[in-house]
Amino acid sequence: NAGVTQTPKFQVLKTGQSMTLQCAQDMNHNSMYWYRQDPGMGLRLIYYSASEGTTDKGEVPNGYNVSRLNKREFSLRLESAAPSQTSVYFCASSEGTSEVDTQYFGPGTRLTVL
Amino acid sequence: AQSVTQLGSHVSVSEGALVLLRCNYSSSVPPYLFWYVQYPNQGLQLLLKYTSAATLVKGINGFEAEFKKSETSFHLTKPSAHMSDAAEYFCAVSRSGGYNKLIFGAGTRLAVHP
Repeated sequence: NAGVTQTPKFQVLKTGQSMTLQCAQDMNHNSMYWYRQDPGMGLRLIYYSASEGTTDKGEVPNGYNVSRLNKREFSLRLESAAPSQTSVYFCASSEGTSEVDTQYFGPGTRLTVL
Repeated sequence: AQSVTQLGSHVSVSEGALVLLRCNYSSSVPPYLFWYVQYPNQGLQLLLKYTSAATLVKGINGFEAEFKKSETSFHLTKPSAHMSDAAEYFCAVSRSGGYNKLIFGAGTRLAVHP
């Protein structure tokens, strides 16, 4: 039982390049999330997927797109990377959308945009 | 709007000393509150959560937190710090309206010295 896995662990991009961050969970969870973590700002929600087939914007969605490929996988795409998107990206999942459901986090992807 | 404030971005304690990490929240509705821990180069892990069942919540690794409505606080404590407690700690509130969207504080980095 690997929990939440993310690939890649590290990535360096040049401004304007695109890339997709992959996330998968093996806990049969319905809900999945993408956050970014910046120093002194905690984690901020980019997008979430309440259930397979649905996605919604979070606090900071600009410059990102997501795909809920199936129940297990939730990817985050940067179409044209900008230096402001340099951050650590975390994927998380929870059993459902109840406000008391625990979110389980992956190990993160450290992205640098030059 | 809901928000979380963590007082002190860095806290340093001696091994064996009391750990106190402060968290204050702002919420117009009864909140659900969480403490997560992030060890170096890892994802976040749930320490404990308040879901209105009891005001004193016990978590993993000897940590506990007390919900005080009159003070709008949810401070995290541990009677005796261990070197392995060195990490970053995040307080979070679950946003009202469903969908399990967490609002995180900026985090407190705990250092434990011999």
